[in-house]
Parts: sequence; structure tokens; C-alpha cells
Amino acid sequence: EVQLVESGGGLVQPGGSLRLSCAASGFTFSDHHMDWVRQAPGKGLEWVGRTRNKANSYTTEYAASVKGRFTISRDDSKKSLYLQMNNLKTEDTAVYYCARSPTMDVWGQGTTVTVSS
Amino acid sequence: QSALTQPASVSGSPGQSITISCTGTSSDVGRYNYVSWYQQHPGKAPKRMIYDVNNRPSGVSNRFSGSKSGNTASLTISGLQAEDEADYYCCSYTSSSTLVFGGGTKLTVL
Repeated sequence: EVQLVESGGGLVQPGGSLRLSCAASGFTFSDHHMDWVRQAPGKGLEWVGRTRNKANSYTTEYAASVKGRFTISRDDSKKSLYLQMNNLKTEDTAVYYCARSPTMDVWGQGTTVTVSS
Repeated sequence: QSALTQPASVSGSPGQSITISCTGTSSDVGRYNYVSWYQQHPGKAPKRMIYDVNNRPSGVSNRFSGSKSGNTASLTISGLQAEDEADYYCCSYTSSSTLVFGGGTKLTVL
């Protein structure tokens, strides 16, 4: 079964850091680009960023709202995707989803990040 | 990159057809045939319904169809069913090599 499972969410103070993980199974993870998408409480979906596959040099893209604060990485040997979030702001509070690119055909169940003092 | 523009809500009766619009710019929707649509039920992860403007994945009902004209993409749902009641989001690739979502549309089946 093709599956994505996020983990690592939690409560963090403003200015703090958190690292999310996304474990993939059931498909050849290394072949795929991967996206992070978030959804603030009661709000719509917001694309966070993308990491491309090895064939595309693992290049990354980010939304303007997180650029310079968030870093996407991956470990193909572990079939895992990561989102390192630094200098967190209250507006980063959201459910964070990982999704398989390029058309986001597979989504995880999400992990909740709360930024609050 | 500004969000794509979708109506906040649409409604229809069972059996009817509805269309949700998604308006972008010549830098996203108008430039690329990389528009996808997602359905999201409360408390659930989004589900891809349409990709590359008008392609329907296997397993998605043929009552769902997509199209594009200029800077506006559209999702049409025919033969509305109660289970179609959900939030719908469009998403487009952009000239900045990023993705942008629409604000979302709440579909109510009357």
C-alpha cells in the first residue's frame, strides 16, 4: 500500500525550532519529488515547498512565507522526507502534510504544529 | 505569489451540476497545463480529483471533470451526490517554479 506518515509535530514557542518527518512506503521514494503543504486552523491549503529527486539534484523550492526559515531535505535510503522549521512564528500554526509530487496524488494524514507562548 | 481566486461557496441539489472556477494569472493558470483539484472532507487529508487540467485519476468518479480557458480553470461536478459535500481547492504550477493553491470553495449539497 502506498503510504505517507508524518510525525514530529507539537507545541513550540515563538522563535523556536521543530523538525517534521514523513515516512514513505509502498513506492519508489527516490524516484519522486515531494511536497510539504500546510493548513492553518479553519483556513485553506498553503503550499510550503518541494524537494526534487536525485535526477534533479535534490533542488528545493519554497513559498515566500517560509523561505529562509524552513529547509526541506530527504534521505532516500530511509525513504524519508524532512521539514526543518526555524524561527517559528504564531502564523506557522497548522497541520502539515507531506504529499507525493508532482500532482500530490498521495497525502499523509498530517501532523499538527502549534506555535504559542 | 497571490492565491488563486475561487468562490467561497457553491451549492446545488442532488442530481444537479455545479462548476467551481479558479482564476489565476498568465504566470500560473494561464501559462501551464498543470492545474490540479483536491477534495477535502472535514478532518481528512485532501484527495486529488483532477490533475493536469482535465485528467481524472483512476478511482475518481467520471462525474468530476476539469477544464481551462485562459487564466481560469474550472471543476465541474455532475449528478451531485450528498458525498460530494466538501471543500475543493485548485492548485497551479507557477513561473517561479512554485505551486499556489486557491482559497478553497465549500460545496453544499442541498
